[in-house]
Amino acid sequence: EVQLVESGGGLVQPGRSLRLSCAASGFTFDNYAMHWVRQTPGKGLEWVSGINWNSGTIGYADSVKGRFTISRDNAKNSLYMQMNSLRAEDTALYYCVKDRMLAVAGFFEIWGQGTMVTVSS
Amino acid sequence: SSELTQDPAVSVALGQTVRITCQGDSLRNYDANWYQQKPGQAPVLVIFGKNNRPSGIPDRFSGSSSGDTASLTITGAQAEDEADYYCNSRDTSGKHLVFGGGTKLTVL
Repeated sequence: EVQLVESGGGLVQPGRSLRLSCAASGFTFDNYAMHWVRQTPGKGLEWVSGINWNSGTIGYADSVKGRFTISRDNAKNSLYMQMNSLRAEDTALYYCVKDRMLAVAGFFEIWGQGTMVTVSS
Repeated sequence: SSELTQDPAVSVALGQTVRITCQGDSLRNYDANWYQQKPGQAPVLVIFGKNNRPSGIPDRFSGSSSGDTASLTITGAQAEDEADYYCNSRDTSGKHLVFGGGTKLTVL
């Protein structure tokens, strides 16, 4: 069974950092691009960042560029998101998402259940 | 604001056909994908590319596009189709991925 399990969310003060992790199983992890997508409670979806199969291509939404860093460890079947200088508007449920392609194509095929990040003093 | 625009809410009578639209300049160059999200659950991909259904998605779901507008059609809507539906594609620069604001579908 294909599974994505996020961890690392929590309550953090503005300006602080947090690192999200995503453990993947049930598929050949290094054959696919991966993404982080977030959803504000009761609101819509926002693509945050994507990384291709070998970390050669990385993209970020303008809202997080320069503050967030996506990475992956294919040997550990894991995806990460280092989030620095967090702001209240970063408060959201963060989903780890598998693409259908090697490249950052945006075909969000499999979603985890999400990890909640709350930025508040 | 999103570069992809969706109607906030649409309703359909049980068993009838409904079309949910997604409009944006980037759709002249890039295909849209469609996701279904039910309350408390993660989104599910229902249509990708021009009109492709992942395994397990009923064939009453189909996709199409014309000009700057992509559409998701549900032919013979069922009660279990009541959900939020989101489109996604690339922005006009092609560098970023974007979502529409979502459409809440009510099945009457």
